[in-house]
Order: sequence, then structure tokens, then C-alpha cells
Amino acid sequence: GQQVMQIPQYQHVQEGEDFTTYCNSSTTLSNIQWYKQRPGGHPVFLIQLVKSGEVKKQKRLTFQFGEAKKNSSLHITATQTTDVGTYFCAGDSGGSNYKLTFGKGTLLTVNP
Amino acid sequence: GAVVSQHPSRVICKSGTSVKIECRSLDFQATTMFWYRQFPKKSLMLMATSNEGSKATYEQGVEKDKFLINHASLTLSTLTVTSAHPEDSSFYICSARGRDRANYGYTFGSGTRLTVV
Repeated sequence: GQQVMQIPQYQHVQEGEDFTTYCNSSTTLSNIQWYKQRPGGHPVFLIQLVKSGEVKKQKRLTFQFGEAKKNSSLHITATQTTDVGTYFCAGDSGGSNYKLTFGKGTLLTVNP
Repeated sequence: GAVVSQHPSRVICKSGTSVKIECRSLDFQATTMFWYRQFPKKSLMLMATSNEGSKATYEQGVEKDKFLINHASLTLSTLTVTSAHPEDSSFYICSARGRDRANYGYTFGSGTRLTVV
């Protein structure tokens, strides 16, 4: 079945440093989605990427979808303590069941 | 934005009893609902997918007789953990996808932390 690998598993940074997490799917995706889960909270949808090579920005967050639609990245510029949480990518392979396959997530901690 | 209400947020039950968890989509019709289980500091493990009015599709290794899922309407899905055991203790989260929300991702409920004693 489809697998989505995400690295790194953990990342600790000093406030102001940049952060990147990467996802790689074993199969071509229809779209990829990114979610953020704060400690003790539930996943919150951040963005969906659909087009090959797509790049989207949300303030300090930059999301990319690879040309082959199998990999993606999330980059945060100048991290802040409010960025703390686990970032998950989730691949949608398409089809009628709309099932997402989640990566294992990257836990980001930020030292003030 | 879309909201999925999940309750209870926390529940403690005795071994052998059953627990029902509800998820409601408040402002959209959830044609498909997903039930996940999440262990501490781990990813989301999909348990089953339910479409309104039809039987749920369970992932491999998930016992359908133990985790009963009902999706009787476009706004409500329930997960019942039957004959709960301590190893069923976990964080259970639902998510919903609406028919007209193809570009908005999936909306998650706030989760239910189940502790079986």
C-alpha cells in the first residue's frame, strides 16, 4: 500500500532559525496536505497542494510539491515559539475513498 | 470555516464496558468520515472510513466487531469501543470531508482521550 515517509522525526531550533520538514510518497499523489498539531491538540489543516511543482506561501511558511507529485516540503523562516507542534504531511492518492495517508510527523520545538 | 464537534473529550471507563464517541459536522455535510487512533507522540493511524448510509471500511488489523462505526446521517458518525480493555486506551480522532470542500482539506474533531481502567 501507499506509504508516506517524513523526516526528520524531531527538530529542535533556536528561535529565529529556519526549519524544514520533508515528505516522500511511495506513489504519485493526487494532492498533498499539511497539518499542524499543537501539543495536546488535534490536527489543524494548513494547506493543500495539487499541482506539480506548486509552491504556496503562508506568511513565514513555504510549501512545495515536487514535479513528480511524490514529495513535498514545508519550510518555516525565522521560527517563533508559536510554531511549536508536530507537522504532518498527508498524501491523497485520489480515487473515490478520499483516504489520506499520514506521515509520521515532525515534532518541532523552539528554544526562546 | 468547517467545524467538527467531537465528544466526549475525555472518558474513563472500566474494563469490559463500552464507550461511544460522537462526531458531528456542524456547518457542512460530511459525506465521508474517518476515524483515527493516535498513540503518544505518534502519527495518526487510520482505523476506518465511513460513508453516510453504508458500512464502514476498516483498515487491516482493526477489529470491526470491537470498533463499531455508524454513519447514519450526513452530520453524525459514531465510534463505539466495545468490551474495552486497557490496551484500547488511546487518543481517538475523527475527521470529516464534505462534498463541496475538495480544496479545504479534512476537518478534524478535537479528539477523545480514552482511558480504560
